[in-house]
Parts: sequence; structure tokens; C-alpha cells
Amino acid sequence: EAGVTQFPSHSVIEKGQTVTLRCDPISGHDNLYWYRRVMGKEIKFLLHFVKESKQDESGMPNNRFLAERTGGTYSTLKVQPAELEDSGVYFCASSRLDRGNEKLFFGSGTQLSVL
Amino acid sequence: QKEVEQNSGPLSVPEGAIASLNCTYSDRVSQSFFWYRQYSGKSPELIMSIYSNGDKEDGRFTAQLNKASQYVSLLIRDSQPSDSATYLCAVSWGTSYGKLTFGQGTILTVHP
Repeated sequence: EAGVTQFPSHSVIEKGQTVTLRCDPISGHDNLYWYRRVMGKEIKFLLHFVKESKQDESGMPNNRFLAERTGGTYSTLKVQPAELEDSGVYFCASSRLDRGNEKLFFGSGTQLSVL
Repeated sequence: QKEVEQNSGPLSVPEGAIASLNCTYSDRVSQSFFWYRQYSGKSPELIMSIYSNGDKEDGRFTAQLNKASQYVSLLIRDSQPSDSATYLCAVSWGTSYGKLTFGQGTILTVHP
């Protein structure tokens, strides 16, 4: 079984540019989460999809961030325009069900550097 | 004030020793507690979950939860150099188990 796949693994862009990160969850996983780790800080929740619906987007920093999950399969996270403080590692995670004994699988992350 | 706190370490133990990792969390209606292991440049991997007070053992790992003290710990027995990694404590509140609040992580080094 393939794991959670994220790409690109690294992205270096200039301030003001647009970047789109992609996450392919494990097949059959309805729950998809985005997290972010800014250097020196803890991993923080951004949002949660159940299939194609946004269940919780309380962690999204501002309206420069747009997440989509069309068709309930893969998800994209677009940052437009990117700012310096957006640099960090963006993780995607998925699970089949949203309950305590359901394991959450993480991708390896996208390292985003905004110069 | 942070909601989940860990000592960032680094924690260094000799091979074969017990590594003890600690985590405290803020006073909210907490549901579930998790320990993730993350090797450098890799994805966080769930190694233990615990939901009720007491101890839970899985192989060389034991998670301990004390809700009254708002404290959760992870013990690694017979530590191996391959256990060297960052250990992340995570807590979920409310009804969404996948919405996790993480601590900063503790770097563990097991030296031969």
C-alpha cells in the first residue's frame, strides 16, 4: 500500500510568487489534514477535509492560503502571494476514519523556502 | 502559553538504558494522546497512543498517562541507536481525533 505522497519535496520561491503544494492521501482515506512546521516551532494544524468538504479550517493563517480537495482524492494547498513567514515544512496526513483508534499517516512533507 | 510542552533536549542515553520522555498539556477536555517518532527529513510516525489513565505497553515502549497531573510520558526500554530521533507528543481535543496539537519535540540520542 502506497503511503501519503507529497510533492514537491522542496520548493524555493521568491516573496510575492505563488506556490501550490500537492498531497495524495492513502487510497480510501476520507480524512485529510494539512499541518505546518515553521522553523523552531511546533507542528501546527492548518485544516481538515472529510472527502471534498472542509471540516475545519481554523488553523489557516490568513486568506493567502487556499486548500482544495476536488473529488475527495488528492488535495492542493496554494499560497498566493507567498511571504517570508510562510517558509516551513508543510505536512499532509490522512486517515480512513476520524476516531481515536484510527492511525494517522503522515507524508514526508514539502519544505517551502520563501526568499 | 503553549498547550503541549516538551523538553526539547537533547536527551542522550547509552545503548541499553531506559529513555524517559515527558510531556505536559494544558487543562482542557483532552481526548487522546499520541507519541510520534520523526527521523530527520522523514514523516512523523505514530508509535503509541493512549486514551485512559495508566500505562500502556507495546514492545519496548510504554506510554503513561496521568490526567489529574496533565502529564503523559513515553519510556523506551533497552534503547538502541536506531531509536535516535525526535519524539513528538501530540494531543487531540474535542471530537476530531486527527486535529492534533503537538509539542516541540524531544531530540533523543542513543549512543553505543
